[in-house]
Amino acid sequence: RKEVEQDPGPFNVPEGATVAFNCTYSNSASQSFFWYRQDCRKEPKLLMSVYSSGNEDGRFTAQLNRASQYISLLIRDSKLSDSATYLCVVPPRDSSYKLIFGSGTRLLVRP
Amino acid sequence: DADVTQTPRNRITKTGKRIMLECSQTKGHDRMYWYRQDPGLGLRLIYYSFDVKDINKGEISDGYSVSRQAQAKFSLSLESAIPNQTALYFCATSGVGTDNEQFFGPGTRLTVL
Repeated sequence: RKEVEQDPGPFNVPEGATVAFNCTYSNSASQSFFWYRQDCRKEPKLLMSVYSSGNEDGRFTAQLNRASQYISLLIRDSKLSDSATYLCVVPPRDSSYKLIFGSGTRLLVRP
Repeated sequence: DADVTQTPRNRITKTGKRIMLECSQTKGHDRMYWYRQDPGLGLRLIYYSFDVKDINKGEISDGYSVSRQAQAKFSLSLESAIPNQTALYFCATSGVGTDNEQFFGPGTRLTVL
């Protein structure tokens, strides 16, 4: 099993829609998780950190399910500017300072 | 000014050439990383350095070398470039107290013909 797996998408949704992505991870000892956002041909930037059961920031909610080893990102009231690739990130087994990046889920929000 | 800068931003080279990609940061972070990104494969770690005297191989270090010239500078070299090293290369930094958040440079697009 890959350390981090994501559905590559693309998820194509209309403006205003609610969309959710899941990410599964293999290291059951992982304590912290992250969602990064990457715009086309740009660098990844941190969107949210998830340390316990979840985190909410405006229209974005990240949830953690330790029993099933997945994290999710929920985006409510999608905006055109939300179109990007969302990377799920977890620390690997051997170090908490390196990060393992998922290959990303692409979101397209249409007018 | 950007906190993490990379030079060059774009480079086209030929097979067998030696290439150096440079990264500088003004964030004062000790930890620096080099990644490559290929379509469908996500970011893969090439090398990382936790301080000036510490260099570690990542998951795909073959064909690459690095130099940590100072806390603020971390360069990546391709001794003899080959076409499958064509990719988008990112430098990143992280520091104590940043909760593992990594800050990325704008990337270098390298094409090896």
